[in-house]
Amino acid sequence: SQELEQSPQSLIVQEGKNLTINCTSSKTLYGLYWYKQKYGEGLIFLMMLQKGGEEKSHEKITAKLDEKKQQSSLHITASQPSHAGIYLCGADGTSGTYKYIFGTGTRLKVLA
Amino acid sequence: NAGVTQTPKFQVLKTGQSMTLQCAQDMNHEYMSWYRQDPGMGLRLIHYSVGAGITDQGEVPNGYNVSRSTTEDFPLRLLSAAPSQTSVYFCASSYSLAGATPTAGEQFFGPGTRLTVL
Repeated sequence: SQELEQSPQSLIVQEGKNLTINCTSSKTLYGLYWYKQKYGEGLIFLMMLQKGGEEKSHEKITAKLDEKKQQSSLHITASQPSHAGIYLCGADGTSGTYKYIFGTGTRLKVLA
Repeated sequence: NAGVTQTPKFQVLKTGQSMTLQCAQDMNHEYMSWYRQDPGMGLRLIHYSVGAGITDQGEVPNGYNVSRSTTEDFPLRLLSAAPSQTSVYFCASSYSLAGATPTAGEQFFGPGTRLTVL
């Protein structure tokens, strides 16, 4: 079965610093999604990547999918306290049965 | 537009009790799903549905039942609660995209239900 591994598991950065979160799949990804979860709340969709080499940006967050479609990165530029939370990558199952899977998440804390 | 709503927000059960977690969406989404979130394990898919009358099992379906009689509602039933079912449960919905490689697409999540089984 397909698995998504995220690294690091947790991250503490000073406000203004850049950071990167990685998501690696054991199989080729057909759709890779990034979500953010504030503590105690539901997930909020950030971005979707489907094509090898694709890159998308929203405000200070950039997500990339590698050419082989097995690894994605989420980069935050000039982090702010509002970026704090849990970031999760998700993916469509490769079997074509709509079985969504998620990575274990990365807890981000931004120190003011 | 309320999005995805879940009730209750908190619930405490005794071992062996049954209950239903409610989930509703008002976006006319075809795809609905239930996840449980446990520390260090991310979200795991319990059951999902691609339309009214169609449901299927996810990664961790044992001990749970679902039905989809309408597009809007997707309740999750715990048949006989066990302490191992203590978790945070999330419902989500999306426009599913059929095609050569079906995809659930961008999912909209409810606020979650915190369930404790004693």
